[in-house]
Amino acid sequence: QKEVEQDPGPLSVPEGAIVSLNCTYSNSAFQYFMWYRQYSRKGPELLMYTYSSGNKEDGRFTAQVDKSSKYISLFIRDSQPSDSATYLCAIPRDLYGGATNKLIFGTGTLLAVQP
Amino acid sequence: EAGVAQSPRYKIIEKRQSVAFWCNPISGHATLYWYQQILGQGPKLLIQFQNNGVVDDSQLPKDRFSAERLKGVDSTLKIQPAKLEDSAVYLCASSLRGPSGRAVSFNEQFFGPGTRLTVL
Repeated sequence: QKEVEQDPGPLSVPEGAIVSLNCTYSNSAFQYFMWYRQYSRKGPELLMYTYSSGNKEDGRFTAQVDKSSKYISLFIRDSQPSDSATYLCAIPRDLYGGATNKLIFGTGTLLAVQP
Repeated sequence: EAGVAQSPRYKIIEKRQSVAFWCNPISGHATLYWYQQILGQGPKLLIQFQNNGVVDDSQLPKDRFSAERLKGVDSTLKIQPAKLEDSAVYLCASSLRGPSGRAVSFNEQFFGPGTRLTVL
């Protein structure tokens, strides 16, 4: 079983739709959960991160963690064409060496928001 | 603040040839990472430096890949000889701090634009 698995997509939605992106993970000891956005031919950029369970909201983006089911989600409200990108979930494996060492990435979900 | 710089942006070589990639991290960032991102996959960590020392190279194919960060600033990643399966984007990232002992703390990694390698 992979440590982090992500719905591969691709996903195509109309502008204004609510988007749900999901990952599962295997190690219950993981505590930080991150979402990166990667535009075509660019490096990933950190979008949001959460610590432990619960929700975190930032504008149109909400990150949700359910540690009981080892499930993480990113919701995008009122999606825009500029949100078209690959979204990667990432989890640091090394808990004691600094939170963001040894990032394990999901495979990424390619999102296209149609105007 | 200037971001992570990488060069070249694109490289096409034939199998068994050698290739080198260069990375200049954000000024003052102690930790530097090299990732390999194969098409359709997430980035995979190859090697991590803390200043000029290697912290983790467990996933670096050491028979053909090498990396150095001699003065604790910029870094080069080399492949010699290249194989078809090395075709990927090679991403460099840096972060301000490295391992912080047993304290769990957030330490954002900033990525460069990557070098897209095609091996024919």
